[in-house]
Amino acid sequence: AQSVTQLDSQVPVFEEAPVELRCNYSSSVSVYLFWYVQYPNQGLQLLLKYLSGSTLVKGINGFEAEFNKSQTSFHLRKPSVHISDTAEYFCAVSNTGGFKTIFGAGTRLFVKA
Amino acid sequence: GAGVSQSPSNKVTEKGKDVELRCDPISGHTALYWYRQSLGQGLEFLIYFQGNSAPDKSGLPSDRFSAERTGGSVSTLTIQRTQQEDSAVYLCASSPKTLREQETQYFGPGTRLLVL
Repeated sequence: AQSVTQLDSQVPVFEEAPVELRCNYSSSVSVYLFWYVQYPNQGLQLLLKYLSGSTLVKGINGFEAEFNKSQTSFHLRKPSVHISDTAEYFCAVSNTGGFKTIFGAGTRLFVKA
Repeated sequence: GAGVSQSPSNKVTEKGKDVELRCDPISGHTALYWYRQSLGQGLEFLIYFQGNSAPDKSGLPSDRFSAERTGGSVSTLTIQRTQQEDSAVYLCASSPKTLREQETQYFGPGTRLLVL
């Protein structure tokens, strides 16, 4: 069975500081990995996804994530955050060729002025 | 084009009543998913449709939960004899295809269900 662990439930950070949101997964098969963002009072939207190829994936709004197979991690990073990045971020995994996506519990990023 | 829509946006019901939640996926999307998001928790997979069939119903929490999809489009999630622990945001998502390639899921705004 697959699982996703987001190690931090909340991450407070000052504006223009760098941020890393951590995600670890477990799976016995090859996986696809995703980060979704949920802004206040809005639906989830895709930030970025890893399907294959380069392990460094760039997404919208300046976010990027790196797939590390040996450490089974897919941490999300941004070098300089803005107030508007305040949201909940969800890491998700699904097995290749499958359809079921398992989501982590979410990390609430709070950017302070 | 139009995104995934869900109705109602909010639903308050009394314990023991039945509720129906509706999802209109993006036109042409063959795959449809239902998730439940409880307060402070991540998304819990409920059920997946490919066309009108549901290959995987394993996520439905109990036999009080059922879902159907007709015409390969609109889906309805029904909760019978609601309980207070059913209170959550129910999210629907659709994607163009899923057979071999994991497509992006496009989420609706959700239905916030409160069972009193």
